[in-house]
Amino acid sequence: NAGVMQNPRHLVRRRGQEARLRCSPMKGHSHVYWYRQLPEEGLKFMVYLQKENIIDESGMPKERFSAEFPKEGPSILRIQQVVRGDSAAYFCASSPPNTKNTGELFFGEGSRLTVL
Amino acid sequence: AQSVTQLDSQVPVFEEAPVELRCNYSSSVSVYLFWYVQYPNQGLQLLLKYLSGSTLVKGINGFEAEFNKSQTSFHLRKPSVHISDTAEYFCAVSEGVLTGGGNKLTFGTGTQLKVEL
Repeated sequence: NAGVMQNPRHLVRRRGQEARLRCSPMKGHSHVYWYRQLPEEGLKFMVYLQKENIIDESGMPKERFSAEFPKEGPSILRIQQVVRGDSAAYFCASSPPNTKNTGELFFGEGSRLTVL
Repeated sequence: AQSVTQLDSQVPVFEEAPVELRCNYSSSVSVYLFWYVQYPNQGLQLLLKYLSGSTLVKGINGFEAEFNKSQTSFHLRKPSVHISDTAEYFCAVSEGVLTGGGNKLTFGTGTQLKVEL
């Protein structure tokens, strides 16, 4: 009974490189969310996606960040030209279709990005 | 816009003592409320949730929370804590199911519970 799967768990990048974080939602879930957790802070919403659609990206930085959830395969959060301030834990969550929605989100174990 | 305030960033407590972690929220509409727990280097795990009905909600690991609409609070309590309860606890609010069927949760900054012998 696989939960939300994220990889890589840890990623180290040098400034200016690209980071790609992947997320496979729980089986049967059609909604994916990305959150960022900075040191000593709570989780901040970034983006909410369904298959092939970005529903709400109000928390995404205007530049360098993008997200997708293709018809096939995992959701991907992409950070271009990383800077030290991007160092954080990035959590993916999923939720089931509306008819089975019980309100909560189901979280993965996170991808911890370190920018040198 | 909704917001969540967790006034205590850290709460130290001795094992077998009771604990209360405070959470206040701000929202212009009816809300759903959640408490999540995060153990070191892990993801968030749902402790309990309030959607409707009884204002006293019981969750896993002996935790419970009470929804107080007049005080806009959702404090988490446990009558007797264990060393294994040491973790970070996050309160979250949702304004219900979104257009498209999703849930957008707004989180507080977290409370680090440290249980000592």
